Formats: sequence, structure tokens, C-alpha cells
Amino acid sequence: QLVLTQSPSASASLGASVNLTCTLSSGHSSYGIAWHQQQPEKGPRYLMKVNSDGSHNKGDGIPDRFSGSSSGADRYLTISSLLSEDEADYYCQTWGAGIRVFGGGTKLTVL
Amino acid sequence: EVQVVESGGGLVKPGGALRLSCAASGFSFNNAWMSWVRQAPGKGLEWVGRIKSKIDGGATDHAAPVRGRFTISRDDSKNTLYLQMNSLKTEDTAVYYCTTERGLGPAAKGPFDFWGQGTLVSVSS
Repeated sequence: QLVLTQSPSASASLGASVNLTCTLSSGHSSYGIAWHQQQPEKGPRYLMKVNSDGSHNKGDGIPDRFSGSSSGADRYLTISSLLSEDEADYYCQTWGAGIRVFGGGTKLTVL
Repeated sequence: EVQVVESGGGLVKPGGALRLSCAASGFSFNNAWMSWVRQAPGKGLEWVGRIKSKIDGGATDHAAPVRGRFTISRDDSKNTLYLQMNSLKTEDTAVYYCTTERGLGPAAKGPFDFWGQGTLVSVSS
């Protein structure tokens, strides 16, 4: 079964960097994923696609502070030089034949 | 500029029906695969269903909780996506988002690369 696992919460200081992790279920480590950001009271926004080889393709207008990488079944979203506006929920998403799946989301707090 | 605008949400009684629409512009709608995603109050994102482009066969897939009750369709002449929701339950209460998969070719489809602002559906007696 295709499942994505995320930590419910993370925190980091203003100006620092943070890594968010999304883990694919057993047998699915070759899958790509997408990262989405949802700021408070707003709809989600597509950030990037992260492939199993660690390459990533960002959406339109996504700042260079956001990057993606991979290791095994883990997919990462790194946000550097944190701003207050980065405080948001971050969801990973993947896909298979006839199915789309979301992780449970990580709530990022910027201290 | 890419835009997708959802409409049709509202308050409906359990067992009732509602049809949502998503008007798209600024991209090649007939080549895009389209999905509906929902978010219950205070909860995470849940995929509802997807429709392929007609050139890729036009097939639909629906998530298990809505299969047999909800139906996704599209009208490429109007650049519009629909979600027909029947036999609504209280647990269907959520904001419903329209999303796009615009990658070139089936192999590039999958990531939801654009989102609408959503429309709220409330199911309550």
C-alpha cells in the first residue's frame, strides 16, 4: 500500500534552515513526490517535484531558499534563511496508477 | 496566467446532492489531468478523484470513501471540471479544491502543479 509518512510538527528559528522529511512506504522507494505549502487560512501552493535520484523541479515563482533532495525512501524539503511567512503546513504527495496520496502534513513553526 | 476557480459549494442536508464546478484558464485544459482534493475542518488534504485528458483516454479514478457516490467529469469546450456529489454524508464536509496535472505526457503527470482557492461544502441537518 502506497503511504507517505511525515512528522506532525517541526520548528526552527528565523533566519535558520530546516529539513522536512517525507518517507515512502516499503516497496515504493523509487517514487517521486511533490511538496505543497499551505499558509494559514489559504489554499495549498505547489512548491516542487522531487525525484528518487534527488533532482527536483520547482514551481513557478518558488524562491531559491526552497530545495529538495532524496535518500532511499526519504524525500526532503529544505528551507533556508527562514522567514516568518514560511510558517505553514507542508504536505508531500505522490502518485501511482489510479491513485494519488498525501502525507499527513508537517506544521512548521518559525520561532 | 493560470487560474482555476471553484464554485458550487454550500449547505446541504445529509443524503442530498451538490455539483461543484472548476473554471480553468491560462493553460491547455484539454491536455491536463485534473483532480479534486478536499480538506475537512482542521484536517489534512485528502484526494477525492482524478480525470485524465481525453487524449489520454479520459479515465476517472475515485478515492474509496467517495466511490459510487461522487463522479468527476469534464467539458473541454467550456474548460470546466465538475464534481457531482450524491448521497452526501456529514463526513463529506470540507473545502474542495480543484488541482491540475499539466506535465507533458502521461509519464510527467502526477504532481498537483496548481491549486484553486477552494469552495466550502457543509453537510448538516
